[in-house]
Amino acid sequence: GAVVSQHPSWVICKSGTSVKIECRSLDFQATTMFWYRQFPKQSLMLMATSNEGSKATYEQGVEKDKFLINHASLTLSTLTVTSAHPEDSSFYICSVRISEAFFGQGTRLTVV
Amino acid sequence: GENVEQHPSTLSVQEGDSAVIKCTYSDSASNYFPWYKQELGKRPQLIIDIRSNVGEKKDQRIAVTLNKTAKHFSLHITETQPEDSAVYFCAASMDTGRRALTFGSGTRLQVQP
Repeated sequence: GAVVSQHPSWVICKSGTSVKIECRSLDFQATTMFWYRQFPKQSLMLMATSNEGSKATYEQGVEKDKFLINHASLTLSTLTVTSAHPEDSSFYICSVRISEAFFGQGTRLTVV
Repeated sequence: GENVEQHPSTLSVQEGDSAVIKCTYSDSASNYFPWYKQELGKRPQLIIDIRSNVGEKKDQRIAVTLNKTAKHFSLHITETQPEDSAVYFCAASMDTGRRALTFGSGTRLQVQP
């Protein structure tokens, strides 16, 4: 399998500030990583597909200028929530796939 | 793209009874169908998966069945225990590392002691 580490596990930030979330694939070189968002009592919704060395592919309705994704190496992808607002408060989780999917621990973002 | 529907949204059973959760998918190219258990604030945990070259797979109290013609698959939990209480998600995708999973809407299972 693959071990995926996500940091931080929780963060509280003020409205208007930016927050960076890191996703590391510890034992697997991931050319592709996936970022999901999960609102309370809802399912995991794909936000974007992060491709190493190239631009991320965003799902419809996800603002690429607000959710900046960088995948500079085969083991690290970052998601930066820029100018965060309370409606961005959610559980963000990254994933890599070999065949099976492996998930990071998730990041609980609260914007106050 | 893929669309996955999951039913029921909530399910309450007595301890020892069976629980069945059903999902349908839309993309005939999908050939990988995992099921996840998620506890509050935690990452999803894979409990069983099935690929389209088989119709049924079993692991102790958990089984999954797949009907590719009808594009539906089901999770069966027998002899339920209170610790089975959680939210369960089905998902579908092509069996490749370059495609994301599409998740169903989730089923909250409550096993009453």
